[in-house]
Amino acid sequence: GAVVSQHPSRVICKSGTSVKIECRSLDFQATTMFWYRQFPKQSLMLMATSNEGSKATYEQGVEKDKFLINHASLTLSTLTVTSAHPEDSSFYICSARQGFNQPQHFGDGTRLSIL
Amino acid sequence: KQEVTQIPAALSVPEGENLVLNCSFTDSAIYNLQWFRQDPGKGLTSLLLIQSSQREQTSGRLNASLDKSSGRSTLYIAASQPGDSATYLCAVLMTTDSWGKLQFGAGTQVVVTP
Repeated sequence: GAVVSQHPSRVICKSGTSVKIECRSLDFQATTMFWYRQFPKQSLMLMATSNEGSKATYEQGVEKDKFLINHASLTLSTLTVTSAHPEDSSFYICSARQGFNQPQHFGDGTRLSIL
Repeated sequence: KQEVTQIPAALSVPEGENLVLNCSFTDSAIYNLQWFRQDPGKGLTSLLLIQSSQREQTSGRLNASLDKSSGRSTLYIAASQPGDSATYLCAVLMTTDSWGKLQFGAGTQVVVTP
């Protein structure tokens, strides 16, 4: 089946650091990629949607200057958490889809811990 | 506004029993419905996708049905195994959303006891 690779799986860093998370579709071209955040015992919260070569569309309440998303190619999207603080600690998951009516495939997530 | 509900929130069954997981949605204007499983500390694994024109989809021990007019989908897992323990999520793709964002239910946490 389709594979989405997300890296790194875990990051621990000091407050004020910027952290970049990569999301790659390994065996299909992802026209659309999504970034989610998940709090313990809760469902996924969509942060932003991006199409290749276009600016990301952010959900209400998500700071675009804090969470920078780049979807530079049909197989790669990155999420950069700028000047991260302890409240940004969370589980971040990316997903990718080849076409509008195609299955959405998810990465394994990144556990971000800001000290 | 679409609302996706999964009942029950948690379910425990002995190994070998069949699992029945329910998903309901309030707006029938959907393109498709997708079932996922999530293991602790992991991302989501896609299980089945049912297009709005379909009534069911099958993959191995999994069978998902869709009744769009009544806003319901059911995921059946036959002869459950301890490895089936996970949280199961359903999600719908709306025809009215040009970005194609999935609307998720809160999930059903399943425990299969040996």
